[in-house]
Amino acid sequence: EDQVTQSPEALRLQEGESSSLNCSYTVSGLRGLFWYRQDPGKGPEFLFTLYSAGEEKEKERLKATLTKKESFLHITAPKPEDSATYLCAVQGKNYGGSQGNLIFGKGTKLSVKP
Amino acid sequence: DGGITQSPKYLFRKEGQNVTLSCEQNLNHDAMYWYRQDPGQGLRLIYYSQIVNDFQKGDIAEGYSVSREKKESFPLTVTSAQKNPTAFYLCASSYVAVNQPQHFGDGTRLSIL
Repeated sequence: EDQVTQSPEALRLQEGESSSLNCSYTVSGLRGLFWYRQDPGKGPEFLFTLYSAGEEKEKERLKATLTKKESFLHITAPKPEDSATYLCAVQGKNYGGSQGNLIFGKGTKLSVKP
Repeated sequence: DGGITQSPKYLFRKEGQNVTLSCEQNLNHDAMYWYRQDPGQGLRLIYYSQIVNDFQKGDIAEGYSVSREKKESFPLTVTSAQKNPTAFYLCASSYVAVNQPQHFGDGTRLSIL
């Protein structure tokens, strides 16, 4: 069964304290892995797509990496405005017979204190 | 600006009542999706549509219905058959091609009176 597990569930950092969020996945033929940021009461905001092992993407203080079993979202010198829930989702070859369906993890809630 | 608009932001349902959540997009996406988000759970797919006048059930379609009469619009009806409708509902859209990210609206929070 296709599955996505994110850890930790919650992470509290001091401003400037770098860390990483983990997304472990089991999927039949990965077509893409997606990272989103979600603020309270808002919809998820798309951050990155990763397609194959070894790929990396960067945006400001965020860097996403991908291996055959997991993805990491590295946060360098975070600021309070980086506080949000970060969601990971995967798209497999056979899920639901549709090209678009995603399987989401439960997310990591990040809090960055000044 | 292009985007996805969901309305209303908050909605209250009485017992035995059907309610309809609106979702409109001007991103020229062919595919549209409805998800349900509950505390401590990942997003769960309710329905999706890849083309006008066609839609498919997702993982938790029971108690919900949709229509897709226009490319830009994908309304969701929460029927009285849905016994636990309190949740945050998210609409998304994407291009149909493989590996395309889904883009989300800002959600509708549905509660029971």
